[in-house]
Amino acid sequence: DTAVSQTPKYLVTQMGNDKSIKCEQNLGHDTMYWYKQDSKKFLKIMFSYNNKELIINETVPNRFSPKSPDKAHLNLHINSLELGDSAVYFCASSRDRGTERNEQFFGPGTRLTVL
Amino acid sequence: GQQLNQSPQSMFIQEGEDVSMNCTSSSIFNTWLWYKQEPGEGPVLLIALYKAGELTSNGRLTAQFGITRKDSFLNISASIPSDVGIYFCAGQLGGSNYKLTFGKGTLLTVNP
Repeated sequence: DTAVSQTPKYLVTQMGNDKSIKCEQNLGHDTMYWYKQDSKKFLKIMFSYNNKELIINETVPNRFSPKSPDKAHLNLHINSLELGDSAVYFCASSRDRGTERNEQFFGPGTRLTVL
Repeated sequence: GQQLNQSPQSMFIQEGEDVSMNCTSSSIFNTWLWYKQEPGEGPVLLIALYKAGELTSNGRLTAQFGITRKDSFLNISASIPSDVGIYFCAGQLGGSNYKLTFGKGTLLTVNP
């Protein structure tokens, strides 16, 4: 019973390609996130969606575009991939942002390698 | 932006020893969270703290929310080999701002 799942687990691609990573949560949460973990293991938020609405958009290049078809899914599409995009991308979810206790639960990650 | 200073950066201990790590911030957070990440996996929530001064335990783990709201520590008692991993603190302002700001992690190695 996976709570937050991501596909694929590994993604190896050439520079310049366009790729997507999918995320699904079955926790009934209203808010979903994308984080990037660099080679030094530093975790930084990229985006957050609440009920399919974009809430947080950190200073991420326009080549990254999140899409939320429904509140259980938040996909990440990346155009014109660059070497520096190589990282592990984590999806997370939490209950509605208005609740006091807003713990975030993470997926297993997608390791993206750009050659 | 807000930054969290997490220390130590790494620890190498013997099985059975107690471990302590902490995070400090230049500004206030209203929620502190501690996560553990094992190789090839996502961060797993260990303990969540919501009130200044709060002390919470989860098995052999104990965490405290500093009274100033600018710090938190995590203790692990009687460490075992499966405690190996990277431990992250994370702060959250809460309310309409629920973005998590992460520390840089503490890599824990336990020698059997």
